[in-house]
Parts: sequence; C-alpha cells; structure tokens
Amino acid sequence: GQQVMQIPQYQHVQEGEDFTTYCNSSTTLSNIQWYKQRPGGHPVFLIQLVKSGEVKKQKRLTFQFGEAKKNSSLHITATQTTDVGTYFCERSNDYKLSFGAGTTVTVRA
Amino acid sequence: DAGVIQSPRHEVTEMGQEVTLRCKPISGHDYLFWYRQTMMRGLELLIYFNNNVPIDDSGMPEDRFSAKMPNASFSTLKIQPSEPRDSAVYFCASSLGGEGTQYFGPGTRLLVL
Repeated sequence: GQQVMQIPQYQHVQEGEDFTTYCNSSTTLSNIQWYKQRPGGHPVFLIQLVKSGEVKKQKRLTFQFGEAKKNSSLHITATQTTDVGTYFCERSNDYKLSFGAGTTVTVRA
Repeated sequence: DAGVIQSPRHEVTEMGQEVTLRCKPISGHDYLFWYRQTMMRGLELLIYFNNNVPIDDSGMPEDRFSAKMPNASFSTLKIQPSEPRDSAVYFCASSLGGEGTQYFGPGTRLLVL
C-alpha cells in the first residue's frame, strides 16, 4: 500500500515546549487516523479526521486535516513526559491500509 | 470487552523451527490485520482479512509466512521455517469496517536464534 510520509521521524523535546509532527500524502485521503504507541506497547487509536480543514482537540493535543485532505498535523503543547512514544498517522482509503513510519518523541526533563 | 487477544506474548525459538502466532479479534469486528514491527522497517502490514477471507497478502515477506482465519474469532500467522531475520514484534489488529478504528493486540515478541 502507498504510505504516508511523516516528518520528522524523531523529535527530541524539552519538557514544557510545543512541537508539531506532520503527515503528508501524495493522494487525497478519505480520512486519516492518528495512533500513539508507548515504548514497549502497542498502537492505540487517538483520533480520526474526516472533513477537509477539520480541527480536533484532545487536551494538549490538536489534530488538523488539511484543506486538500492530503496532509495532517498533530501539535502538542506543553510537552510532558507522558507524551513519550511514537505517533503514527494512518490512511485508510478503500482497501489500501498503511501506516506512516511514525514520529518518535523523546522528552528531556 | 477483552480487546484483541494475542498468544503467545513472547516466543523464543531456534532457526528452522515452526512458529505459530495466534489472534482473537474483538467480537463483531469484520476486519483482521497482521503487522510486523521492527526498528529498521517500522510497522508493516503483512496481510488482512475481511469476513475471514484474505484480501491482501502482498505484505507477506515470502512463502515461509502463511496466515489463516478459519472463523470470525480466530486467526493464525505461521512461519515455517523461521529465520533470525524474522525476529520482530507481531501485532494483530481488528476493526469494524475497512476504514474503522484499528484495535491492536498487545503483540507477540518473537526472537529467532
């Protein structure tokens, strides 16, 4: 399946700072889903975006779907040590399912 | 709901041995996915089923890998013979609908010596 591109692949953040990870696709997406995987754990669903330009918030996490539905972003404010992990975006378009490589986030206290 | 159940959670075996990984999806889910995760290659989709029928197995690395889903509540991923490069975490996930949220099991950590 065609993958989405996630950038950056690694993000090292000072506790309390903000950061953003991006998910880009060369084709239009019907929807996009974000997952988080803690070290040693399994991917856990965070949110799904469906509409063009959609913005959803979960506490300190803000998810956005681009107007053209080809990209998405996850912005975390005031990073905490609990935010450590790998964040995946996943495109599910008809029967082609694929995860991006993920952004692995580490936090320094 | 118990979530997706995988067994075993850890498997250590020797090269050449047969390995069978098991998965019980969430009841009522009609899609089941098998993934492999390594540091080098990330999370790779191996195969997925819809209503117990394999739909896309293009991610299966080679003939040593096979997957079955004899009924809606059980699937297996078999590696025969196993090789050290098969060492990885294997995840099973299920969803309701092909674009539904995927619920992952805890994974099987496989080490082939």
